[in-house]
Amino acid sequence: QQQVKQSPQSLIVQKGGIPIINCAYENTAFDYFPWYQQFPGKGPALLIAIRPDVSEKKEGRFTISFNKSAKQFSLHIMDSQPGDSATYFCAASTIQGAQKLVFGQGTRLTINP
Amino acid sequence: EAGVAQSPRYKIIEKRQSVAFWCNPISGHATLYWYQQILGQGPKLLIQFQNNGVVDDSQLPKDRFSAERLKGVDSTLKIQPAKLEDSAVYLCASSPLGSHYNSPLHFGNGTRLTVT
Repeated sequence: QQQVKQSPQSLIVQKGGIPIINCAYENTAFDYFPWYQQFPGKGPALLIAIRPDVSEKKEGRFTISFNKSAKQFSLHIMDSQPGDSATYFCAASTIQGAQKLVFGQGTRLTINP
Repeated sequence: EAGVAQSPRYKIIEKRQSVAFWCNPISGHATLYWYQQILGQGPKLLIQFQNNGVVDDSQLPKDRFSAERLKGVDSTLKIQPAKLEDSAVYLCASSPLGSHYNSPLHFGNGTRLTVT
């Protein structure tokens, strides 16, 4: 119930393409869904986050789509660039209580020039 | 603002030895987290402190792992004795008081531990 399942494990896209990374969860108590970006040798950095009262959130080239009934959410990267090559993690937690952030397994994204 | 500081960056030890990691959170951040990230996996929460009190340590292997945050600022995570499966990156994160939505986690660059 505490798991967040992420797919695909790896993804290769040409520059300018739109990579899509998907996540699914079971715990209906989750009400905070962030995406983190991690470069080699660095810690994860918050990219964008959404709460379940909205179905979509955009920040620059990054968009989260959220489907509450399906308990799924996804990250889209518009006009992808080689600099976007990194590992992306979805996560989930509750906003109340201990706010224990649970991460997905990660997606290694490569954007080819 | 200065980020979350962790040291050392790398550590190689033999199994059954002990090791300690240090973390200094962002100034003013009341909540501190230690995560374990095994190669190819997402970070897994080991322990969460609020000020100097433990909020959640349900996934901390307490027979070998210990952590403290005595003055509510910096923290140490210790492993004694280490096992091969403890090889991972140990990430420290901090956040201000409040919901994750308004007060997101900030991660350090981690300590990469190799147990041989």
